[in-house]
Amino acid sequence: DTGVSQDPRHKITKRGQNVTFRCDPISEHNRLYWYRQTLGQGPEFLTYFQNEAQLEKSRLLSDRFSAERPKGSFSTLEIQRTEQGDSAMYLCASSSTMGPGNEQFFGPGTRLTVL
Amino acid sequence: KQEVTQIPAALSVPEGENLVLNCSFTDSAIYNLQWFRQDPGKGLTSLLLIQSSQREQTSGRLNASLDKSSGRSTLYIAASQPGDSATYLCAVDSGNTPLVFGKGTRLSVIA
Repeated sequence: DTGVSQDPRHKITKRGQNVTFRCDPISEHNRLYWYRQTLGQGPEFLTYFQNEAQLEKSRLLSDRFSAERPKGSFSTLEIQRTEQGDSAMYLCASSSTMGPGNEQFFGPGTRLTVL
Repeated sequence: KQEVTQIPAALSVPEGENLVLNCSFTDSAIYNLQWFRQDPGKGLTSLLLIQSSQREQTSGRLNASLDKSSGRSTLYIAASQPGDSATYLCAVDSGNTPLVFGKGTRLSVIA
């Protein structure tokens, strides 16, 4: 079991550009979550999937953000027309509803810097 | 709306001391509570998960307790080491839902 992986680990982009991040969950985990974390704060929920269905989206997820999990395995998070306020660490987590307590396991994160 | 508070925001202790980190939450109807460790610039490592029916969990030098009725959890670290230096985050699942996090406690263990 290789754990949750995220790609890229770092992304620097100019304001107005589009960016896409990828998350590969632990195999057999049916739930996948996206969180955003800024300096000195705890992670904040963005959206989550159960299998390929997107079950909940936070109000933090503006129209410029879109997430997919097309085959119930990996997921992508796209940010269109990036703004400086989008600079943050984007964290992905996965869990299994079959396991005890729905424990979430996190990836290493993608750090986004918008210039 | 669930809110999670962690006190203190930062803590510095000499190596070898036992210490307690505190977490409080506003809605006691929780499904589980997780404690995480985060090193600077890194992702989160799950330390302990306490389900709502449990009162404590132990892993090595770590012990986490849960008091749902008072909306509190504590993380006890025994015999602290410099390698324990990190930010410790508490997170609550209010019913098979996404986690709500506190802002964390930044721990420094001085050799």
